[in-house]
Order: sequence, then structure tokens, then C-alpha cells
Amino acid sequence: NAGVTQTPKFQVLKTGQSMTLQCAQDMNHEYMSWYRQDPGMGLRLIHYSVGAGITDQGEVPNGYNVSRSTTEDFPLRLLSAAPSQTSVYFCASSYEPRGLAGGEQFFGPGTRLTVL
Amino acid sequence: SQQGEEDPQALSIQEGENATMNCSYKTSINNLQWYRQNSGRGLVHLILIRSNEREKHSGRLRVTLDTSKKSSSLLITASRAADTASYFCATDMYSGGGADGLTFGKGTHLIIQP
Repeated sequence: NAGVTQTPKFQVLKTGQSMTLQCAQDMNHEYMSWYRQDPGMGLRLIHYSVGAGITDQGEVPNGYNVSRSTTEDFPLRLLSAAPSQTSVYFCASSYEPRGLAGGEQFFGPGTRLTVL
Repeated sequence: SQQGEEDPQALSIQEGENATMNCSYKTSINNLQWYRQNSGRGLVHLILIRSNEREKHSGRLRVTLDTSKKSSSLLITASRAADTASYFCATDMYSGGGADGLTFGKGTHLIIQP
């Protein structure tokens, strides 16, 4: 199993550009999520999905869109990049977000994004 | 807002010593998890403790949970250079109506001196 994969690893954008961060998992997990990590901070939840066709907002959703057409893929779109979106983005998945299965999340290696 | 807060923010110890880091949180939880992040890498799950558990062990890791004080501690015994990393506690933010995910603290940066 590859686990959770993210592409690209690094990206530089200019203000106003759009792009999609890719995330895929091969563990048949229903729950997937996107977090951003800023220097000296913990991770903050952007969007999440509890299954194909279902998405919802997390703590910091503004400026980002997501979709979940398959169980495996959960792309994150930046609509019009801003310098405030410079961050490291992590995708994670789990069998379920909480409950009896525990909610252990598996993280991808991250995408380091710089917006100039 | 961040639910969990780790203490200390940074910790430097000699190899072979024990490392203890603490986490405090604000609201009721279903479980509390600890993750490790090596520099430039993603987070790796270490251990999960449920709200009805008080202590849990996994190899050299020992986690305690005190729900009355809303706090948890992570003890790493017989530290090794490879334990150098940032350690985060995470709590379940779901409360029946809000976002469904984990809330992370800012982390404790642990440095093991050879």
C-alpha cells in the first residue's frame, strides 16, 4: 500500500493564480481531510469528507474548494491564491473520524506552497 | 481555535534520558491522540487514548489522561537521537454539530542530544 500520497511536493504561485493539490489514498478509507500547517502552529482543518459525494467545511475553509467524486481521491483547489495561503498542506485519511475505530489518521507527506 | 496546547514548547535532553511533554485541552473529548512529525515530513500517529482510559503504553511510550484536569502527558523513556521531532496532541473536535476532525496543539519540539 502506498498509503496517502500528495502531489506536488512543492509549488510556487503568483497571487491570483489557481491550482489543485492532489491527494489519493489506497486504504479504502471513508474519511479524508485537508489541513494547513503554518510556522509554529499546529494543524488547522480546512475541509473534510466522510465519503464519496459528501464534503464539509472545517475551521479555515475560505479560499479553498474540495470535491470527492471517488473514495480514493480528495483534491483541494485554491481558487485565487493569496500570500496568506502560503503554508504546508497535509491530506489525511482514516477509516472513520472518531468512534469505535478510534479515528487514527494517516497523513500524506505534505505540499509546501508559496504564494508570491 | 486550538483545543490542545502542549507544554513545553521546546525540550532538549541527553540521549538515554526520559522526555515528558504535556497537553491541556478545553472541552470534553472522545479521545486524545499523539502524533510525531519529523522535520519536513507528515505526521505519524503514535498512540490514542480514549476518554474512559487513564493510562496506555506502546513500546517506550506512556500516555496518561486526566479528564478531570483536561490534560494528558506523553512520556518517552530511554530517548534516542531518532526521537528528535515535534510532538502534537490532537483531540476530536466533533461536538454533534460542528466540524468533524482533529484539533491540534502547537506542538513540543524535542531535541535529543547525543
